[in-house]
Amino acid sequence: GQQLNQSPQSMFIQEGEDVSMNCTSSSIFNTWLWYKQDPGEGPVLLIALYKAGELTSNGRLTAQFGITRKDSFLNISASIPSDVGIYFCAGRGAQKLVFGQGTRLTINP
Amino acid sequence: DSGVTQTPKHLITATGQRVTLRCSPRSGDLSVYWYQQSLDQGLQFLIQYYNGEERAKGNILERFSAQQFPDLHSELNLSSLELGDSALYFCASSAAAGLIDTQYFGPGTRLTVL
Repeated sequence: GQQLNQSPQSMFIQEGEDVSMNCTSSSIFNTWLWYKQDPGEGPVLLIALYKAGELTSNGRLTAQFGITRKDSFLNISASIPSDVGIYFCAGRGAQKLVFGQGTRLTINP
Repeated sequence: DSGVTQTPKHLITATGQRVTLRCSPRSGDLSVYWYQQSLDQGLQFLIQYYNGEERAKGNILERFSAQQFPDLHSELNLSSLELGDSALYFCASSAAAGLIDTQYFGPGTRLTVL
């Protein structure tokens, strides 16, 4: 099935560092979503973006909907241990919802 | 706890068999979504039901089918199982019909096909 290109696939950082990840696609999407999945649990929606160029924050998380509508970025500032997990982007087009492969975030205390 | 329940938590079966996964949405939610998560394919949207009717379809195989009952619980039927069907199957629910409405995910059913 169609996938978004999400990078990096994994990140190993120190507590307190900032994190950046992104998703790109060859297709245009109307909405971009970012989810976090903790081990053994289902994904939880973090941020939803509805307009090209939109920049939205949720606490230490900031996400942007790319101007071309083909990409999105998620930044996490001042990482803490509970940020560990897998982050997924998802793009919504006409009756389709496509997920990235995920970015696995590991934090060294 | 998201309020979405899925049963069973684990399922081990053999190739060629048929299984049924069950999902109960959060109280008041009308939409149910099914997802498949495997190591090599990531998270794949399979299908959405809204108030008993099929609303959107993703990468769902013809061997798979789903339905939503009048009490809003949903079942995902997987038949003629293959080794590659081994995965985590998640159900999610939301209040409304839009694919981008806030979805609450259940804990998942881990299916192993031997």
